[in-house]
Amino acid sequence: GAVVSQHPSRVICKSGTSVKIECRSLDFQATTMFWYRQFPKKSLMLMATSNEGSKATYEQGVEKDKFLINHASLTLSTLTVTSAHPEDSSFYICSGGQSTDTQYFGPGTRLTVL
Amino acid sequence: KNEVEQSPQNLTAQEGEFITINCSYSVGISALHWLQQHPGGGIVSLFMLSSGKKKHGRLIATINIQEKHSSLHITASHPRDSAVYICAVFPNTGNQFYFGTGTSLTVIP
Repeated sequence: GAVVSQHPSRVICKSGTSVKIECRSLDFQATTMFWYRQFPKKSLMLMATSNEGSKATYEQGVEKDKFLINHASLTLSTLTVTSAHPEDSSFYICSGGQSTDTQYFGPGTRLTVL
Repeated sequence: KNEVEQSPQNLTAQEGEFITINCSYSVGISALHWLQQHPGGGIVSLFMLSSGKKKHGRLIATINIQEKHSSLHITASHPRDSAVYICAVFPNTGNQFYFGTGTSLTVIP
């Protein structure tokens, strides 16, 4: 089946620094990728829809200047957490697919901000 | 209101037992996914379903579109099956997934 990878799988950073998370589709082209965040003991919540070659669409309550999304190619979307704070510590997951309902999930990235 | 409900929330089983995890949803869907999340967080996609039944090794997933219900079965459960299992649905009129809160499974040797 199709594969989506994320890098890094875990990252620890100091408060105030920026962290970039990559989401790659390994064997298909994805014009749309989705970024999710998982809060402790909660289900995943959609943060934003990443569109290749255009601006991302952010969900209500998600700061676009804090969570920068770039979808520069059909196989790569990046999420940059800028000026990270401890409350940004979370599990971030992307999904991608050749259509919006045929989506494959990445393994996730655990971010810890000290 | 949750579009996706899973049951049970927590499940403890003895090794070898047959396990069933249920997912009910309230919207018309074009696809349903079962995901596995191990301690430490990594997500593994187990199944994507739009109808019928799929089997992979000891795992079986079924879906009843009319009843808006899906089940994930694990036969001959093993401690390595211990994980959180998450149901995710993609509505046929929507543009994002809706996720259940997950079922935490512990299989005791």
